[in-house]
Amino acid sequence: NAGVTQTPKFQVLKTGQSMTLQCAQDMNHEYMSWYRQDPGMGLRLIHYSVGAGITDQGEVPNGYNVSRSTTEDFPLRLLSAAPSQTSVYFCASRSSGGGTNTGELFFGEGSRLTVL
Amino acid sequence: GDSVTQMEGPVTLSEEAFLTINCTYTATGYPSLFWYVQYPGEGLQLLLKATKADDKGSNKGFEATYRKETTSFHLEKGSVQVSDSAVYFCALATGGFKTIFGAGTRLFVKA
Repeated sequence: NAGVTQTPKFQVLKTGQSMTLQCAQDMNHEYMSWYRQDPGMGLRLIHYSVGAGITDQGEVPNGYNVSRSTTEDFPLRLLSAAPSQTSVYFCASRSSGGGTNTGELFFGEGSRLTVL
Repeated sequence: GDSVTQMEGPVTLSEEAFLTINCTYTATGYPSLFWYVQYPGEGLQLLLKATKADDKGSNKGFEATYRKETTSFHLEKGSVQVSDSAVYFCALATGGFKTIFGAGTRLFVKA
C-alpha cells in the first residue's frame, strides 16, 4: 500500500535552476496539496487541487507552479530556484469527503531541497 | 484569518511523566481540529481528531477535547514513553479546502 509517494527525497540546486518535485497517490483522492516546512513556522500551504484540471493558490504560492492532469499526480515546479526556497516539501492528499473538510490528510515522506 | 497557536518547544520530559501540549485556535465557523505527529525523517500522520464541540479524540494513549468556549484543543498523555519523542502539530480545517497548521512542538522523552 504505497499511499503518497514523493520524489526525489533530497535535491541540491543552484540559484536560477529549475526542477520538479513529483507527487503521486494511489488512494483515488480528489484533493492534493503541497506544503513547505520551515523551522518555527509549521507547514505552510503552497498550492492545492480539488480534482484533475483544477488548482488554486495557498498561503505562499510565489515561485511555484502546479498542474493536475490526472487524479494520481500533482507535480510542483520551481522555475527559477532561490535560496529562500530551501525547505522540506510535503505532498498531502485526502478524500473530498462529500465537500466537507473533516478527513485526515495523508502525507508523503518529504523532499528536502537546498538551493545554493 | 484562521490560525492555530501552540506552545513553543522543545518540551523535555522523563519517561512516565504527564504530557500537555497547549493549542488554541482562531476560526470563523465550526472547524474540525486535528493533532498530527511527525517522527524523525518521516511525513506527518494523523494522531487524533475531533469534528465538533465537546468531542474527545483519542489514540495511543493521547487525548484532546474540542473546547469551543476556550477555543482550545490541548493534547494530553498520562505517561509518555521514549517512543513518543516526535514533533506534534495542531491543525484546523474549516469548510473550505485548506488545513492550517500550528508551528509544531518538539517533544523529547528521556529514559
